[in-house]
Amino acid sequence: DAKTTQPNSMESNEEEPVHLPCNHSTISGTDYIHWYRQLPSQGPEYVIHGLTSNVNNRMASLAIAEDRKSSTLILHRATLRDAAVYYCILRDRGTSYDKVIFGPGTSLSVIP
Amino acid sequence: DAGVIQSPRHEVTEMGQEVTLRCKPISGHDYLFWYRQTMMRGLELLIYFNNNVPIDDSGMPEDRFSAKMPNASFSTLKIQPSEPRDSAVYFCASSPDPDTGELFFGEGSRLTVL
Repeated sequence: DAKTTQPNSMESNEEEPVHLPCNHSTISGTDYIHWYRQLPSQGPEYVIHGLTSNVNNRMASLAIAEDRKSSTLILHRATLRDAAVYYCILRDRGTSYDKVIFGPGTSLSVIP
Repeated sequence: DAGVIQSPRHEVTEMGQEVTLRCKPISGHDYLFWYRQTMMRGLELLIYFNNNVPIDDSGMPEDRFSAKMPNASFSTLKIQPSEPRDSAVYFCASSPDPDTGELFFGEGSRLTVL
């Protein structure tokens, strides 16, 4: 399975934009890039996903490099509620199975 | 929709006892996943089902762990006998057609084995 690499931790000031990077140099053509986040004492929640083009939704934006070997999750204005562990994962849609494997993620701290 | 429902939310038991964790996926979701989360190992995929059929159980730690999905609205994860190292938060997640790409997680079951 293709792997992802993320920084262990990042800090941001409240109301500032946050760029969370993810490297996935062994990504295959059928892998979707997904982002989830996990708030303290909760289960992970979906943030956004994409394949090749940049994506926007109400929570965040996803910028995907042209070669797809890296991506960046963008939170446009960090709030205290955005303090969480952010997971970048690849979803391999194989012909007979479908796995979602989480790595250690990036722990984001938001400073008031 | 009520979301993925897990029970119990907290379980404290003694070593050697049987533990059964339960999950009700979101109606209409064809995929169900069981994860385990610990500080040391993070989120680990244990097993997942597609249309009630176990597809990959390579993440199940050992024979003490078993999972079933008797119908589309119910799944169990059983540990027998339980050991202190099984202490963790166990998450269940369900997913609709893979084209949508989203997993919906429950709130988890926190297991403590004394």
